[in-house]
Amino acid sequence: DAGVTQSPTHLIKTRGQQVTLRCSPKSGHDTVSWYQQALGQGPQFIFQYYEEEERQRGNFPDRFSGHQFPNYSSELNVNALLLGDSALYLCASSSFRDYEQYFGPGTRLTVT
Amino acid sequence: QQPVQSPQAVILREGEDAVINCSSSKALYSVHWYRQKHGEAPVFLMILLKGGEQKGHEKISASFNEKKQQSSLYLTASQLSYSGTYFCGTEISDNTDKLIFGTGTRLQVFP
Repeated sequence: DAGVTQSPTHLIKTRGQQVTLRCSPKSGHDTVSWYQQALGQGPQFIFQYYEEEERQRGNFPDRFSGHQFPNYSSELNVNALLLGDSALYLCASSSFRDYEQYFGPGTRLTVT
Repeated sequence: QQPVQSPQAVILREGEDAVINCSSSKALYSVHWYRQKHGEAPVFLMILLKGGEQKGHEKISASFNEKKQQSSLYLTASQLSYSGTYFCGTEISDNTDKLIFGTGTRLQVFP
């Protein structure tokens, strides 16, 4: 049973560029949440997708957008990258209202 | 709004016990506990729900004081594998599924 997978593992982008990160949820899960984790900090909630719609959103600008596909996989898009966007981006999947969220290994984004 | 965890760091010898606390300024519906090792994803440990329901590991216990908006994680007879950073994630209502993570507690266990 595959767990949560994310791609790519690492990514280096230049300020102003755009990036797309991908997440495949654990088998049987239909909800995907995205988090940003800066070095030495706890994860910060970006947004959550269920039934291909954004259900919840944290305090992140509109430069952060996402999408969920019919197979429950999800993408996180970040436009006009800033140096401060450098972080580990984590995807967590869950079954709606089953409470437990399982995290993927993350994508380490570096913006230069 | 971010929950505050204490202590910030703990150093233990194998076999010793530790308690990690998580305190929120908002009323909580649930508290989730995770352990994250350096360079890895957070691993789910336990969830405590308003009303007393719990789900999680057999060897780890926790408490949730709804009135005080606090939760504590109890690590007994610590093992080397317990080393890592512990985060509490809090949910303020039963209609969000949005976790607000605490400040983190770094735990190191030595032989």
